[in-house]
Amino acid sequence: KQEVTQIPAALSVPEGENLVLNCSFTDSAIYNLQWFRQDPGKGLTSLLLIQSSQREQTSGRLNASLDKSSGRSTLYIAASQPGDSATYLCAVERSQLTFGKGTKLSVIP
Amino acid sequence: GAVVSQHPSWVICKSGTSVKIECRSLDFQATTMFWYRQFPKQSLMLMATSNEGSKATYEQGVEKDKFLINHASLTLSTLTVTSAHPEDSSFYICSAGDRERGYNEQFFGPGTRLTVL
Repeated sequence: KQEVTQIPAALSVPEGENLVLNCSFTDSAIYNLQWFRQDPGKGLTSLLLIQSSQREQTSGRLNASLDKSSGRSTLYIAASQPGDSATYLCAVERSQLTFGKGTKLSVIP
Repeated sequence: GAVVSQHPSWVICKSGTSVKIECRSLDFQATTMFWYRQFPKQSLMLMATSNEGSKATYEQGVEKDKFLINHASLTLSTLTVTSAHPEDSSFYICSAGDRERGYNEQFFGPGTRLTVL
């Protein structure tokens, strides 16, 4: 059974800092990995999707990497802003999407 | 882009009543819709996969007679929580797959907060 772990569970940083969120998964036989953003009481917004054959994806200040063989992914956020405050979820897909519990990010002005 | 809506966004009901949640794909046809449940500080957990015109596939531990799923059209799936109890209080999120984009991209709705008193 696939298990997805996200570390840390919560993170607080001052505005402007660069930061890294970590995701690990137990079964490397995945089709893709996605990073989502979830605001309190809201649904999910897809940030980046990395296919299993890819090693990274970039969108603006976000960069996600994937090391499938070691079962790890990182989400790098550059020059963090208060508007980045949210919970970030990592999910891997094979027969279904399996989610981690998320990292709650707070960016302090 | 692909938009998925849910209605209602929140609902409060008495124990023993049934609650219906709608999930709609607004600008694409969704052959497959997924229903997730999220308890506080927990992961989203897949409850069932709903295919248009056929019976839903439920995940282990999810009671199909309690969580009724109907996917009667390519743009609408409904989840009915029958005889709801306080332990069913949760955040229910649907997602939809766009056949033109491929199966492995899902678009998520905004979620429905269910509180059972």
